[in-house]
Amino acid sequence: DAGVTQSPTHLIKTRGQQVTLRCSPISGHKSVSWYQQVLGQGPQFIFQYYEKEERGRGNFPDRFSARQFPNYSSELNVNALLLGDSALYLCASSLAGGPKFFGPGTRLTVL
Amino acid sequence: DQQVKQNSPSLSVQEGRISILNCDYTNSMFDYFLWYKKYPAEGPTFLISISSIKDKNEDGRFTVFLNKSAKHLSLHIVPSQPGDSAVYFCAASMRGGTSYDKVIFGPGTSLSVIP
Repeated sequence: DAGVTQSPTHLIKTRGQQVTLRCSPISGHKSVSWYQQVLGQGPQFIFQYYEKEERGRGNFPDRFSARQFPNYSSELNVNALLLGDSALYLCASSLAGGPKFFGPGTRLTVL
Repeated sequence: DQQVKQNSPSLSVQEGRISILNCDYTNSMFDYFLWYKKYPAEGPTFLISISSIKDKNEDGRFTVFLNKSAKHLSLHIVPSQPGDSAVYFCAASMRGGTSYDKVIFGPGTSLSVIP
């Protein structure tokens, strides 16, 4: 069974640009959550989606948005990129709550 | 305001011995706790969890202890193996029996198991 997949693996953008990160959960998992991990810190909660509805949002500006599709895959969008958005973006899926299975992450570098 | 704290940035243990990783939290509303390990260039791997209605949960070599009055939990790994060398994250959430999960992670403890 395939695990959580994320694309792209790495991404380099410049300040002010927009980026879309993608996540495919484990088959049958209806909950997807997104985390930002800055070097040397633990992952920080950005969003949780369950059954295509937003269930939770962390302390991130409105530049961050997400959505979940009918097949439970998800996209994270970040507008007007700042240098501080450089981080590893992690997606996790589970049957119901609790990020049990993480993808390998997307490494975003903002120049 | 760090709600989940892991005060030891690193820990070294001899192979075969017990590894004890500690975690403290400040929010008494947390009712579900998780431990993950993370290797470089990989996403975190879920290890074990515990609900606030329990004080201990065991899974193979991993045991998590929860002391609610002290707002403290610990992960015991017995016996420690070189492959356990990784960064360990403690995390907490307020589930309230729903599927909502805002999981708060600690900063992590880097464990080195010396052969």
